[in-house]
Amino acid sequence: SAVISQKPSRDICQRGTSLTIQCQVDSQVTMMFWYRQQPGQSLTLIATANQGSEATYESGFVIDKFPISRPNLTFSTLTVSNMSPEDSSIYLCSVGRDRERNTDTQYFGPGTRLTVL
Amino acid sequence: EDQVTQSPEALRLQEGESSSLNCSYTVSGLRGLFWYRQDPGKGPEFLFTLYSAGEEKEKERLKATLTKKESFLHITAPKPEDSATYLCAVRSPKRSNDYKLSFGAGTTVTVRA
Repeated sequence: SAVISQKPSRDICQRGTSLTIQCQVDSQVTMMFWYRQQPGQSLTLIATANQGSEATYESGFVIDKFPISRPNLTFSTLTVSNMSPEDSSIYLCSVGRDRERNTDTQYFGPGTRLTVL
Repeated sequence: EDQVTQSPEALRLQEGESSSLNCSYTVSGLRGLFWYRQDPGKGPEFLFTLYSAGEEKEKERLKATLTKKESFLHITAPKPEDSATYLCAVRSPKRSNDYKLSFGAGTTVTVRA
């Protein structure tokens, strides 16, 4: 499976600020995904990020709040903008459609634990 | 809308006490059911993918099965290191390039020595 890293692993931020989370993969992947896991809850997809095209956002998530970049096939960033305490969550990136293995299985990074005060 | 329901919410087992976790789903056009294991403070770790009813997959003490309405994750003779939250997810694409996974709430398994 792909090796995925995220930076930062955790952060504590003040209300009204923004944080950019990085996701790096050790192989070229067609699709990358960003999920949110709120405390005690399961995972919810924020958006799908394909290289060379605009990210596709799920219902309830907007680009102004969660801008995403996907500059190449191994890297993506998610920014959480104008944060409020309700944004406190674990943010996870995942990868799928590995070019070599052509699989639908998604593999997840270790997550970024965000606390907003 | 896709629905994925996992039961029970929590399961406490004695070491060696086999049991099963359930994942029931309501989707239109299943294109994969996925099981993950998540340890506290970590990202989900992939376990199995099942595509069609009757399919089974095994890995060490874990065995996943699939029917047209539900999937089971059987844990045989569990050990304390099997303690984790087990997540079930389904893929039911609404368009050709839709790879969204819909997750259940998970079952937290605690195995006591």
